[in-house]
Amino acid sequence: DAGVIQSPRHEVTEMGQEVTLRCKPISGHNSLFWYRQTMMRGLELLIYFNNNVPIDDSGMPEDRFSAKMPNASFSTLKIQPSEPRDSAVYFCASSFETGASNYGYTFGSGTRLTVV
Amino acid sequence: GNSVTQMEGPVTLSEEAFLTINCTYTATGYPSLFWYVQYPGEGLQLLLKATKADDKGSNKGFEATYRKETTSFHLEKGSVQVSDSAVYFCALHPNSGNTPLVFGKGTRLSVIA
Repeated sequence: DAGVIQSPRHEVTEMGQEVTLRCKPISGHNSLFWYRQTMMRGLELLIYFNNNVPIDDSGMPEDRFSAKMPNASFSTLKIQPSEPRDSAVYFCASSFETGASNYGYTFGSGTRLTVV
Repeated sequence: GNSVTQMEGPVTLSEEAFLTINCTYTATGYPSLFWYVQYPGEGLQLLLKATKADDKGSNKGFEATYRKETTSFHLEKGSVQVSDSAVYFCALHPNSGNTPLVFGKGTRLSVIA
């Protein structure tokens, strides 16, 4: 398996533009997580899905952020409109969870977003 | 609630020194415990895990023992290398319901030759 695949690896955009980050989880995994990492705030969980259904989006900073998982092999995180304070590295992770146990998450390589 | 506390960094060691990064947790029930490592410019990678009390996880010369009596999961390595320079995250999974991993804040390790 190629692991969790994120695209793009780097994104530079102007303030006010729409940004879409993409993630392909590991085949067979039933849970998907979006994280944001900055020097100031560390690693933050934004939203997670189980069996393609959003379970908890309380970490999404504001309405400008939205995430979808239309099927088991694809998810997007969209920021519209983007602002400079959204600059961060965004990670996607996937795992197989039974509810009673967890085997660890597999992280993608991340998307480094810079909003100017 | 569930939480993880790990020692603040940065930690700077000379090559071949002994490493300990402390991690303690608070959890209800019987969590699984993990250590993740993040090398510069990369995502987090699972380093090792333990699923029940007294289990020892090990990988790449690192090890950690699940101590329920002290609610700890300290990471150790007998002889660090420059290539071990990274950020290390301790994490727990509550093993109940749709609950995500709870991560510590991370400890940055720098190993100098």
